[in-house]
Amino acid sequence: QVQLVQSGAEVKKPGASVKVSCKASGYTFTSYDINWVRQATGQGLEWMGWMNPDSGNTAYSQKFQGRVTMTRDTSISTAYMELSSLRSEDTAVYFCARGLFVHTGPPGYWGQGTVVTVSS
Amino acid sequence: DIQMTQSPSTLSASVGDRVTITCRASQSISSWLAWYQQKPGTAPMVLIYEASSLESGVPSRFSGSGSGTEFTLTISSLQPDDFATYYCQHYTTYSLTFGPGTKVEI
Repeated sequence: QVQLVQSGAEVKKPGASVKVSCKASGYTFTSYDINWVRQATGQGLEWMGWMNPDSGNTAYSQKFQGRVTMTRDTSISTAYMELSSLRSEDTAVYFCARGLFVHTGPPGYWGQGTVVTVSS
Repeated sequence: DIQMTQSPSTLSASVGDRVTITCRASQSISSWLAWYQQKPGTAPMVLIYEASSLESGVPSRFSGSGSGTEFTLTISSLQPDDFATYYCQHYTTYSLTFGPGTKVEI
């Protein structure tokens, strides 16, 4: 069965960076796109960016352009999202999500979420 | 950029009620719309894609309709498990845009 397992909770100081991993199993990693979405406590869902794990091509939300980097390691079927210059407003749950269909369709499978807390 | 809006923001309903949530796009998005259900502390779950296609395993009481700029999610007979927050989402190959959400409460 399709599974996306994310890395554990992180606590970071303002100005630091965080790198969240998303390990995929149960399908061919390079065939399905990965999106990253975050959600602050009590708030809605916010899209951060997209990656094609086959080509490594990425597209980022303008809001995060310059601060976010999405990468992957196909040898271990893992996607990564790194966010730099953290501020308190970046405190949120971060989700990776796989497309429903091969390189198309909305996210249909989600990781369990990674809590990132930014606090001095 | 395309903006997504939803109404209402909160909906009070009872078990057995027919419930309709509306989602509007700031410009035509054809049928590139999905609906998600999210319960507290869990990841969203896709219910509908391409505006009206029911995802496998989702109960048939959920249905979606619309195209262009106006879309609806209907729950034909609300069940206790359906009390949650619902999001519409416009998707393309490279981006996602979420609506602000509709909380369905008792």
